[in-house]
Amino acid sequence: AAGVIQSPRHLIKEKRETATLKCYPIPRHDTVYWYQQGPGQDPQFLISFYEKMQSDKGSIPDRFSAQQFSDYHSELNMSSLELGDSALYFCASSSRTHLKLFFGSGTQLSVL
Amino acid sequence: AQKVTQAQTEISVVEKEDVTLDCVYETRDTTYYLFWYKQPPSGELVFLIRRNSFDEQNEISGRYSWNFQKSTSSFNFTITASQVVDSAVYFCALRRGETSGSRLTFGEGTQLTVNP
Repeated sequence: AAGVIQSPRHLIKEKRETATLKCYPIPRHDTVYWYQQGPGQDPQFLISFYEKMQSDKGSIPDRFSAQQFSDYHSELNMSSLELGDSALYFCASSSRTHLKLFFGSGTQLSVL
Repeated sequence: AQKVTQAQTEISVVEKEDVTLDCVYETRDTTYYLFWYKQPPSGELVFLIRRNSFDEQNEISGRYSWNFQKSTSSFNFTITASQVVDSAVYFCALRRGETSGSRLTFGEGTQLTVNP
């Protein structure tokens, strides 16, 4: 069965650079979520989109922005990267009939 | 506001022992959903179970069982006859029921180590 696809799997950036993470939800899923997980921490909710509209917003820095496109894929744009942005970024998707979130394998971002 | 508390940061057991992971939650919603996810060393988040707030039946799936008690706001997870492959971080999570796109709030996680 198709799963949530995230790209890239690994990303290395310098401070003050920009990064774009991509997420392709499971087909026919209309909702995507972004989470940030620091080392040894639980996943922290950043933002979600339902039918291409922002649905819920968590502790997402102003330097980050995200959107969901007409084909339901989503991108998380991160600017002015800081060392503290180094983390595992998860995307998840769900549908109205599936209340659980299906998670992708994550993007490991390292800011040097 | 919603909150999930997993008081046990780390648990270490010997293979074949039974182990229970505790989860306590807080919410003002009348409809909500509780989840357990497993995060093995490889890093992915693996769904284990979902429970609705209006269904307090306990559930057993193989060596796994879950005890949901609304009276104490707890949703505990028991692994019977633990195995080395059960070693992982386990997260309890809570989601409100009414809104599409509503966030999943995770607890801090419990690191389970099963030793041979």
